[in-house]
Amino acid sequence: DQQVKQNSPSLSVQEGRISILNCDYTNSMFDYFLWYKKYPAEGPTFLISISSIKDKNEDGRFTVFLNKSAKHLSLHIVPSQPGDSAVYFCAASRTGNQFYFGTGTSLTVIP
Amino acid sequence: GAVVSQHPSRVICKSGTSVKIECRSLDFQATTMFWYRQFPKQSLMLMATSNEGSKATYEQGVEKDKFLINHASLTLSTLTVTSAHPEDSSFYICSARFPTGDINNEQFFGPGTRLTVL
Repeated sequence: DQQVKQNSPSLSVQEGRISILNCDYTNSMFDYFLWYKKYPAEGPTFLISISSIKDKNEDGRFTVFLNKSAKHLSLHIVPSQPGDSAVYFCAASRTGNQFYFGTGTSLTVIP
Repeated sequence: GAVVSQHPSRVICKSGTSVKIECRSLDFQATTMFWYRQFPKQSLMLMATSNEGSKATYEQGVEKDKFLINHASLTLSTLTVTSAHPEDSSFYICSARFPTGDINNEQFFGPGTRLTVL
C-alpha cells in the first residue's frame, strides 16, 4: 500500500518558470516530510524538509508547502534552471521512524 | 552536509554467488542506518533498519536470510546478498540517520550500488 504518492511521473518546464511538484500522503501520523533530488545511478540528495508544525519552508529557490488537512505537500522551484532536471522524491515519516517514499517525478527544465 | 559512502558502486556477479555492499558514514556516527532498494521507475523501498550492535529489523516481505545486514560499528553497515539471482538485480541504497540536533530525523544517502546478477 503506497502511503506516499506522486501522481505525476514527469513534468517539463521552461527555464526561468516555476516548477511545481506535488505529493500526497495517506497516513495522518506522518509529521516530517522531505524532498530529495536524484540523478540517474546516484543516491538521493536531500533538498528541503518541513515538519508538521509548519505550513511553509523556504530555502533559496526551493519552497515546500504543507497542507495537513489535505495531506498534501508541494515543492516549488523558482526560477527553474536546466541543472534542476532530475527525479524528485517526496518522503514522509513519523519522527524517529523510517521514511516512506513516493514514486518520484522526473523534472525536465527546457533551456 | 554529512557524507555517506557505499562500496562498490557497481557489481556484476554470477547467479548463486554472494555479494557484500558496504555503507559508511564518513564524518558522523550513525546509530541507525537504512537499506533501500529501487527497481527501475519505482520508488525507494525500505528493506531493513540497521541498528548498531543489534539485529536488523526487516520490512515485511524481505528475506532476512537472503539479505544479511551487519552493523558492527557506528560508521559501518554491510548488506550481503546471499545466493544472488537475476531477480535480485537492482539499485541498492543505504542511508544513515544523523543522530542529534535539528536534523535528527534527516537521513543522508549513499551514492548507491548497482547490482547485476547474470
